[in-house]
Amino acid sequence: DAKTTQPNSMESNEEEPVHLPCNHSTISGTDYIHWYRQLPSQGPEYVIHGLTSNVNNRMASLAIAEDRKSSTLILHRATLRDAAVYYCILPYAGGTSYGKLTFGQGTILTVHP
Amino acid sequence: GAGVSQSPSNKVTEKGKDVELRCDPISGHVSLYWYRQALGQGPEFLTYFNYEAQQDKSGLPSDRFSAERTGGSVSTLTIQRTQQEDSAVYLCASSLTDYNEQFFGPGTRLTVL
Repeated sequence: DAKTTQPNSMESNEEEPVHLPCNHSTISGTDYIHWYRQLPSQGPEYVIHGLTSNVNNRMASLAIAEDRKSSTLILHRATLRDAAVYYCILPYAGGTSYGKLTFGQGTILTVHP
Repeated sequence: GAGVSQSPSNKVTEKGKDVELRCDPISGHVSLYWYRQALGQGPEFLTYFNYEAQQDKSGLPSDRFSAERTGGSVSTLTIQRTQQEDSAVYLCASSLTDYNEQFFGPGTRLTVL
């Protein structure tokens, strides 16, 4: 199964951009890259997903490397509410036919005021 | 609109007792997932339904765990003869189909004394 590797933790200041990296060197051509985040004492929350092209939505941007072996979640202006654990997930890796989410340890993002 | 709801929010039980955890998915969502999250860890997949059919129960840790989804809507996760190692937050998620993003409920915190 394709796995993802993320840094254990990152820090940012409020209103600054944050770049959260994820390595997925064994990704296959049909594996989508999904990002979820989990705020303290809440269930996980979908952030964004992509396959090959960079993606933008109201929450964040996803930059995918040309060889697709890595990706970066970009929060353009971090707020205190963005402090959470961020998970990079390949839901359909290994030929799974549905979105079974395998959460790793994720990256703990701390945002300083 | 209403999100995924779970009840109870907290459950304290004695070792050896049976417990039932309930999940109300978003109306119209075909797919429903159960995960559990130990303290300091990422969520771990337990089982998954499309409509009322249980498609994958490979993540259930033992035969003390079972789940059903009556009528393709509400789902119940039952743990028989609870053990202390069952203590965790149990998360439910639903998605429009199994290829769409998952929406998570707030979880049920289970404590087995």
